[in-house]
Amino acid sequence: AQSVAQPEDQVNVAEGNPLTVKCTYSVSGNPYLFWYVQYPNRGLQFLLKYITGDNLVKGSYGFEAEFNKSQTSFHLKKPSALVSDSALYFCAVRDGYSSASKIIFGSGTRLSIRP
Amino acid sequence: NAGVTQTPKFRILKIGQSMTLQCTQDMNHNYMYWYRQDPGMGLKLIYYSVGAGITDKGEVPNGYNVSRSTTEDFPLRLELAAPSQTSVYFCASSLLRGEDTQYFGPGTRLTVL
Repeated sequence: AQSVAQPEDQVNVAEGNPLTVKCTYSVSGNPYLFWYVQYPNRGLQFLLKYITGDNLVKGSYGFEAEFNKSQTSFHLKKPSALVSDSALYFCAVRDGYSSASKIIFGSGTRLSIRP
Repeated sequence: NAGVTQTPKFRILKIGQSMTLQCTQDMNHNYMYWYRQDPGMGLKLIYYSVGAGITDKGEVPNGYNVSRSTTEDFPLRLELAAPSQTSVYFCASSLLRGEDTQYFGPGTRLTVL
């Protein structure tokens, strides 16, 4: 069965330092992978996605993510954190493109950037 | 474009009451989804639709019903509210299904007492 795991409930980083939010997945076919961000009292906003091609995907707000097939991971990264990056981050995976495939969201990681 | 809009923003129901959560999108997307978000649990798919007149169950459909009479609207119906349905509900839409980005509404916070 397909699944996605975000092993850290919370990540704390000082402003200006690099950040990483971890995500691992399990699917039977080729994964479609997504990162979304949720600011307080708002819906989720798309950050980036991996479908195929280059393992390093660049997205909105300076975020990027690296697809690692051997480690079944899709960690979200940013070279220099901003206080405004503080939010809830969700990793998601879809098991292929068939009509039977569904998107599964992780439980979320709260990112806190201190000034 | 307004994107995906949801009403109401907040609602308190008594056990056994019914209500409809409204969702409208103006992006001409075929695919629409309803999720619930419980604290620390991520999002769970309740129902989805691949186009007007076509709906299907997601991961947690019990206690809910949906309809899709137009491309724009995808209301979610709670017939007999239960405390277990206390949650934040998000509607989303996408142009495609497999690889496409989902656009989310601002959510409805529902409390059942």
